[in-house]
Amino acid sequence: DVVLTQTPPTLSATIGQSVSISCRSSQSLLDSDGDTYLNWLLQRPGQSPQLLIYSVSNLESGVPNRFSGSGSETDFTLKISGVEAEDLGVYYCMQATHAPLTFGSGTKLEIK
Amino acid sequence: EVKLEESGGGLVQPGMSVKLSCATSGFTFSDYWMEWVRQAPGKGLEWVAEIRNKANNYATYYGKSVKGRFTISRDDSKSIVYLQVNSIRSEDTGIYYCTIHYFDYWGQGVMVTVSS
Repeated sequence: DVVLTQTPPTLSATIGQSVSISCRSSQSLLDSDGDTYLNWLLQRPGQSPQLLIYSVSNLESGVPNRFSGSGSETDFTLKISGVEAEDLGVYYCMQATHAPLTFGSGTKLEIK
Repeated sequence: EVKLEESGGGLVQPGMSVKLSCATSGFTFSDYWMEWVRQAPGKGLEWVAEIRNKANNYATYYGKSVKGRFTISRDDSKSIVYLQVNSIRSEDTGIYYCTIHYFDYWGQGVMVTVSS
């Protein structure tokens, strides 16, 4: 199974600060169809997960553009440019290139 | 508006069975692959099962920890996806979410607690 390693496990940020979360895969997530099925999700406290970014860098509809994704093959990054209070929660990367689907262990974002 | 609503959870004794349902609306259900994802208390997300659409022969796939005990199914006429859970174990305790394969819409989740 593909292992996704997220760092850091926790992140503390002030409002307005920019932060990045890393997601490293145990194997390339480039699919034979040319797409890379690496998504980023946010789970706010007590809520269901919410899709932020799909296929590495595509912003899901309705998601603020302070969120951005980048990377390729095995190394991926989620960046929040100017954290806001509503961004607190746990961020997960997930891959759907290889069966079974797998998730990273999560990065908890706390607001100072 | 897309909606997914899980039901059927609750307190279940070890070794028993439970069937979860996810009723959907607001999209052409029959076109989409559907997933179940679960989350143990205080833990991360774990993919559980997938069922594809008619065009893909309703193929099903399972996570290793549930294969042989869980069965995913769907009723396209009712826009519902199911998860039959047999021989339930304490480690199956958690919130079970249904989601569309693109992971852009999720239900609110249903809690399953396994305890005697």
